[in-house]
Amino acid sequence: EIVLTQSPGTLSLSPGERATLSCRASQSVSSSYLAWYQQKPGQAPRLLIYEASSRATGIPERFSGSGSGTDFTLTISRLEPEDFAVYYCQQYATSPHMYTFGQGTKLETK
Amino acid sequence: QVQLQESGPGLVKPSQTLSLTCTVSGGSISSGDYYWSWFRQPPGKGLEWIGYINYSGSTYYNPSLMSRLTISVDTSNNRFSLRLSSVTAADTAVYFCARIPRGRRYFDYWGQGTLVTVSS
Repeated sequence: EIVLTQSPGTLSLSPGERATLSCRASQSVSSSYLAWYQQKPGQAPRLLIYEASSRATGIPERFSGSGSGTDFTLTISRLEPEDFAVYYCQQYATSPHMYTFGQGTKLETK
Repeated sequence: QVQLQESGPGLVKPSQTLSLTCTVSGGSISSGDYYWSWFRQPPGKGLEWIGYINYSGSTYYNPSLMSRLTISVDTSNNRFSLRLSSVTAADTAVYFCARIPRGRRYFDYWGQGTLVTVSS
């Protein structure tokens, strides 16, 4: 089973700053199978990025994804107040047929 | 726009079966363009994929839950369901349903989630 490790666990930044969130896989992951989600308290996750670098419908341009192999990054270019939340990366593996998530990065206001 | 809504008991006794339904509106579950999935999130913890089903009833389950799990689809009522047997306190979680575009490996629309507590 592929394990996703997200870092840092908590990131403290101010509105207007740049956020860089990391997701590292224990084995190589196809870029087609890597996604990022945002979750706010009491809400469902929201798809931000799919296939490592494609923005989902309605997601602002300040969100971008990059990476390949075992190292993937979610970047928020200039933080808005509504961006403070928990972020999860997710991957799909073919053997076994399985979806797994990282443990999450909490983005909090400094 | 598609909407998903989970429903079911909020409290289940240990050793019993947890049953939830996800009703889909704004789109047909039998269109064949999407697969339909379940997740859960224990309080204060991360996300766990449970399994998914397509419109024809083909299923894929998380290996760790497979022995206790059944996911089914009811196309006439545009909904799909989860049954998890022999529950314990470790199954206490918020349960979410979500949609997967066919041929893709991500989840584009989610229900709001429903908390299920396993307790006597």
